[in-house]
Amino acid sequence: GQNIDQPTEMTATEGAIVQINCTYQTSGFNGLFWYQQHAGEAPTFLSYNVLDGLEEKGRFSSFLSRSKGYSYLLLKELQMKDSASYLCAVRDSNYQLIWGAGTKLIIKP
Amino acid sequence: DVKVTQSSRYLVKRTGEKVFLECVQDMDHENMFWYRQDPGLGLRLIYFSYDVKMKEKGDIPEGYSVSREKKERFSLILESASTNQTSMYLCASGRRGYEQYFGPGTRLTVT
Repeated sequence: GQNIDQPTEMTATEGAIVQINCTYQTSGFNGLFWYQQHAGEAPTFLSYNVLDGLEEKGRFSSFLSRSKGYSYLLLKELQMKDSASYLCAVRDSNYQLIWGAGTKLIIKP
Repeated sequence: DVKVTQSSRYLVKRTGEKVFLECVQDMDHENMFWYRQDPGLGLRLIYFSYDVKMKEKGDIPEGYSVSREKKERFSLILESASTNQTSMYLCASGRRGYEQYFGPGTRLTVT
């Protein structure tokens, strides 16, 4: 079967760095997406990886290792507004997105 | 900016009622999607459409149907609402191979 695993919840301190992991087992791989979802709002696109390595976009970076079926989202200089759920999604061989259940990130002052 | 709108933010319906959820996008995207989101389960795909009048079943199509008569509009229909269809419903659109853009969601309660 197809499976995406993420931690359910993480807590970090304002100004610190946090890494949210995502492991996947899917039928084929055509890219991995990270989305941010604030409570009661729609998910918004953060990043996309299709090749191994690190993609940096401001305070957010995303890493992919296809051989290990692993990705992480790295958030630096955490701000209170970063409190949200972070969703990992893998596009399979049929170009369908398989979604993880999301990681709820709580930022404390 | 891409805009995806949904007809209602909150909806309360009775068991057995027919429910229509409408989604409109303004970016001429070929693909449109309906998901439901429940705590601890993540996003689950109900139906998607890759062109006008085309539709494909997702992972959980039972109890739902869809309609896409125009490119910008994708409707989700609950033929006879049941309490287990109480959920957050999210519509998304996108070009094939690219990221999806989501609407604000409709929180449906079936009593």
